[in-house]
Amino acid sequence: EDQVTQSPEALRLQEGESSSLNCSYTVSGLRGLFWYRQDPGKGPEFLFTLYSAGEEKEKERLKATLTKKESFLHITAPKPEDSATYLCAVPAGNMLTFGGGTRLMVKP
Amino acid sequence: NAGVTQTPKFRILKIGQSMTLQCTQDMNHNYMYWYRQDPGMGLKLIYYSVGAGITDKGEVPNGYNVSRSTTEDFPLRLELAAPSQTSVYFCASIEMAGNTEAFFGQGTRLTVV
Repeated sequence: EDQVTQSPEALRLQEGESSSLNCSYTVSGLRGLFWYRQDPGKGPEFLFTLYSAGEEKEKERLKATLTKKESFLHITAPKPEDSATYLCAVPAGNMLTFGGGTRLMVKP
Repeated sequence: NAGVTQTPKFRILKIGQSMTLQCTQDMNHNYMYWYRQDPGMGLKLIYYSVGAGITDKGEVPNGYNVSRSTTEDFPLRLELAAPSQTSVYFCASIEMAGNTEAFFGQGTRLTVV
């Protein structure tokens, strides 16, 4: 069965305290892994697509990496405006399956 | 280019009432999805469509119906609303071939009382 699991469910960081979010997946024939950011009351906003193991992508303080079994979203020196829920998703057949998300809170 | 548009943004229903959540995309995407998101949780797939005239069930289809008569529109119908359907509903569209980034609407917040 195709599954996507994110950890931790919630993460509290002090401003400037770097950390990583994990997305583990089991899907046959990975066709891509997507990271999204979701602010309260809004729809998910696309961040990155990763297609193959070893691939990395960066955007400001965020860097996403991919292995054959999991992806990491590294947050370097986060700021309070990085507080949000981060979601990962993988295509499974014709469906797009999401993990449960990681709620990130960055305190000043 | 509006992307994915959902209406209404908010709605309160009484138990047993019915309603249709509208979703329209202007990107000519073949794939469209309906998700629900309960507080503090991830997105659960209700129904999806891979093209006009083709729909299929996701993880949590009970109590919902969909149709896809055109590429642009993918309405979600709630029949006999129940308190368990109180949630935020998101519509998304994606072009699976090539760039497979999914675009989301801003959501419909539904309360059933």
